[in-house]
Amino acid sequence: AQTVTQSQPEMSVQEAETVTLSCTYDTSESDYYLFWYKQPPSRQMILVIRQEAYKQQNATENRFSVNFQKAAKSFSLKISDSQLGDAAMYFCAYQYGSGNTGKLIFGQGTTLQVKP
Amino acid sequence: GAVVSQHPSRVICKSGTSVKIECRSLDFQATTMFWYRQFPKKSLMLMATSNEGSKATYEQGVEKDKFLINHASLTLSTLTVTSAHPEDSSFYICSAREGWTEAFFGQGTRLTVV
Repeated sequence: AQTVTQSQPEMSVQEAETVTLSCTYDTSESDYYLFWYKQPPSRQMILVIRQEAYKQQNATENRFSVNFQKAAKSFSLKISDSQLGDAAMYFCAYQYGSGNTGKLIFGQGTTLQVKP
Repeated sequence: GAVVSQHPSRVICKSGTSVKIECRSLDFQATTMFWYRQFPKKSLMLMATSNEGSKATYEQGVEKDKFLINHASLTLSTLTVTSAHPEDSSFYICSAREGWTEAFFGQGTRLTVV
C-alpha cells in the first residue's frame, strides 16, 4: 500500500534562516506526483510546490525548493529566508493512479514554528 | 489557482439528523473530487474519491451508507452525513481536480453533532 511518512511532528526555525522538512513515501508506481501543502490556522490547504516523478530536476518556487530522491523515495522541502507567515502545518502528499482515478494521500504533517 | 468553494463552513446538528456539505469548483471542471476528514492537528484522512457521473470509491473503514457522496456534475459534489452522532464531529475538507493535475481545496466544514 502507498504510504507517506513525515517523521518530524514539529520543527522550528529562526526568521530569515533555512529549514528542511522531511518526507518519505512508499510506492511501487513509477509515475506519480508529489506535493507539499501548507495549512495555516485558517485550515485552508495551500499548494506550496509539486514534483512530477518523471522529472529529475528538483522543483523550485521562490523561497521553496525540494530535494527529490526517487530511488530513496524521499521528498524534502527546503524553506529559505523563513518568514513569520510561513508558520503553519505542512503536509507532504502523494498522488498516484492514472487519469481520473488517482488518489491523493497525505503524510502526518509537520508543524513549523517561525521565531522572530 | 483554481477556486473550490465548500459550504457550509460550520454546522451544528442534532444527533440522529442528517447534514449535507457542498463542494463546488468555480472555475474549472472537477472530474475528480476527494473528501477528507481531519482531526485537530492531525493529517487529512481520505474518505472517498468520486468521479463525475460514477459511484464514489470509499476507503477501507469508511461507511458508505453513513457518508453518502454524490458527484452529479462536473462542478458539484456533496457529502451527506446520515444519522449523525457526536463521534462524527470533525473537520471535513473537499478537494477537486481536473484531469491529472494538482488538487485544489475547499475551505473545510466544521461539523459539530450535539
